[in-house]
Amino acid sequence: DIQMTQSPSSLSADVGDRITISCRAGQNIGRHLNWYQLKPGKAPKLLIYAASNLQTGVSSRFSAGGSGTYFTLTISNLQPEDLAIYYCHQSYSPPPCTFGQGTKVEI
Amino acid sequence: QVQLLESGPGLVKPSQTLSLTCTVSSGSIPSDGFFCSWIRLHPDKGLEWIGDVSYNGSTYYNPSLESRATMSVDASKNQFSLRLRSATGADTAVYYCARLHDVLNAFDYWGQGSLVTVSS
Repeated sequence: DIQMTQSPSSLSADVGDRITISCRAGQNIGRHLNWYQLKPGKAPKLLIYAASNLQTGVSSRFSAGGSGTYFTLTISNLQPEDLAIYYCHQSYSPPPCTFGQGTKVEI
Repeated sequence: QVQLLESGPGLVKPSQTLSLTCTVSSGSIPSDGFFCSWIRLHPDKGLEWIGDVSYNGSTYYNPSLESRATMSVDASKNQFSLRLRSATGADTAVYYCARLHDVLNAFDYWGQGSLVTVSS
């Protein structure tokens, strides 16, 4: 299985801040990397697919990049509704596809 | 817009079978390219992919669960199902069904999740 390692595991920031979450893959996965937002009691949301493509309907405050083994998710102008846990997901080598351990964002 | 809804018992006794159904609304399940994935969120451990099942019944399992898991589809009811035999406390999790978009290779629609607790 391809190991995915996210950092930090949690962070606290203020409204208006810019934050960056990183995700490292255990091997080269090209650009087969997606990002999701999870909130309690709500359906998870796809934010980014193929490393840097913003999913339709997702705020442009979210951006992402990277390739190979290192990827980042950046949230600009942090808002209270961004309180969530964010997961990276590699879809290069299914099965099994694998997820990072998550980054909890506190406002 | 695709909507998915998980349903099933919230409490399962150890050694019994955990069973969940995912109902897809907003149109019929397309006859090709539609994969329903089952994913679970462990308390304090993150997300784990369980497997994919297609409209035509093709299945792909996580090797770590393959010996206990069975996924199936009932296209006439727009439903996908998951059964996990010999449940233990380690199977306590929120279970999600999601659509695997075959071009994006990402899960673009998710259900809200169904909490299943394995306990006597």
